[in-house]
Amino acid sequence: LAKTTQPISMDSYEGQEVNITCSHNNIATNDYITWYQQFPSQGPRFIIQGYKTKVTNEVASLFIPADRKSSTLSLPRVSLSDTAVYYCLGGRGAGNTPLVFGKGTRLSVIA
Amino acid sequence: DVKVTQSSRYLVKRTGEKVFLECVQDMDHENMFWYRQDPGLGLRLIYFSYDVKMKEKGDIPEGYSVSREKKERFSLILESASTNQTSMYLCASSSVTLGGQYEQYFGPGTRLTVT
Repeated sequence: LAKTTQPISMDSYEGQEVNITCSHNNIATNDYITWYQQFPSQGPRFIIQGYKTKVTNEVASLFIPADRKSSTLSLPRVSLSDTAVYYCLGGRGAGNTPLVFGKGTRLSVIA
Repeated sequence: DVKVTQSSRYLVKRTGEKVFLECVQDMDHENMFWYRQDPGLGLRLIYFSYDVKMKEKGDIPEGYSVSREKKERFSLILESASTNQTSMYLCASSSVTLGGQYEQYFGPGTRLTVT
């Protein structure tokens, strides 16, 4: 069963850059790496997705090394509103199941 | 905007009751998913469906069943609710999977309490 591993929690001050790393040792050749963000009392929402190297959008950057066994979500200059749980998806369950959510990283941004 | 709606935000049921959780999406997505979310365990996949009348088991299907009679609607059924099914239930939909390059759109969730 493919799993992802990421830190349980992280703290950061406002204005800092935050990097959250996820390991996905068994990622399949064709699969993309995806990150979601979840605020309290809401469903997760898609942040960013990539296959290799670097992807950047208006919210975050995603760095993926050549071996694709890990990825790093980078949030530039975080604010209090970035306090949320961040999930990495980079592996599948048994059989034909879709990509599996990990346990997530709870990011707390402090003023 | 993609909309995924769930029939209830909060639900309280008694042990042994049959419970229906409804999910509707308005983007003509082929794929629909049901997850449960518990503290410290992240999101765990219960069932998913790639097409109408098709269903596949996820990681924790025991005690649950699903129904997909129409493309836009995916129902989760607890045949006989138990207290260990007290949880947040999240529905999601996505377009066709291509090597994992898809985005799931989530509903707001239903917090189910079984007493």
